[in-house]
Amino acid sequence: KQEVTQIPAALSVPEGENLVLNCSFTDSAIYNLQWFRQDPGKGLTSLLLIQSSQREQTSGRLNASLDKSSGRSTLYIAASQPGDSATYLCAVRGEETSGSRLTFGEGTQLTVNP
Amino acid sequence: NAGVMQNPRHLVRRRGQEARLRCSPMKGHSHVYWYRQLPEEGLKFMVYLQKENIIDESGMPKERFSAEFPKEGPSILRIQQVVRGDSAAYFCASSPLSTGGQGYTFGSGTRLTVV
Repeated sequence: KQEVTQIPAALSVPEGENLVLNCSFTDSAIYNLQWFRQDPGKGLTSLLLIQSSQREQTSGRLNASLDKSSGRSTLYIAASQPGDSATYLCAVRGEETSGSRLTFGEGTQLTVNP
Repeated sequence: NAGVMQNPRHLVRRRGQEARLRCSPMKGHSHVYWYRQLPEEGLKFMVYLQKENIIDESGMPKERFSAEFPKEGPSILRIQQVVRGDSAAYFCASSPLSTGGQGYTFGSGTRLTVV
């Protein structure tokens, strides 16, 4: 059974700081990994999708890496801004034979202080 | 190109009533997934449907919960005889392929409160 863990559970940083969010998963047989952002009371916004054959993906100030063999992914946020404050969720999709479900971590609640 | 549409956004039901949550996938998406987020918890998979077929319902409680995705119209998640423990945010996601190769798009969710 796949389990996804995100560390830290909460993080508070001053504006402008670079930061790293961590995600680990127990079963390396994944199809892809997706990072989402969730604002309070809102839905999920997809940030980055990394296929199992890829090592990293970048979008603006965000960079996500994937080390499938060790079961780890990181989300790097450069020059953080107060608008980045949200909960960041990591989700993995198992290989096709195990179904199409996503398994989510509990999330990292990020607060960027002005 | 509208995203995944869920309604209602908020739903209040008394214990014992029925709750119906609707989800219209993105245009061109024929695969729908329902997830539940309990207060202070992560999202948990409930059910995966294609048009007129339930593919995987292993995450759905055996009693009181059902889901459908008819040939025409939105997907419906139905909760009969709701209890306080059903209070949660219910999210729907859709994808164009069963493999999810393009990732999943989520709706804004329906927040169910059982009083």
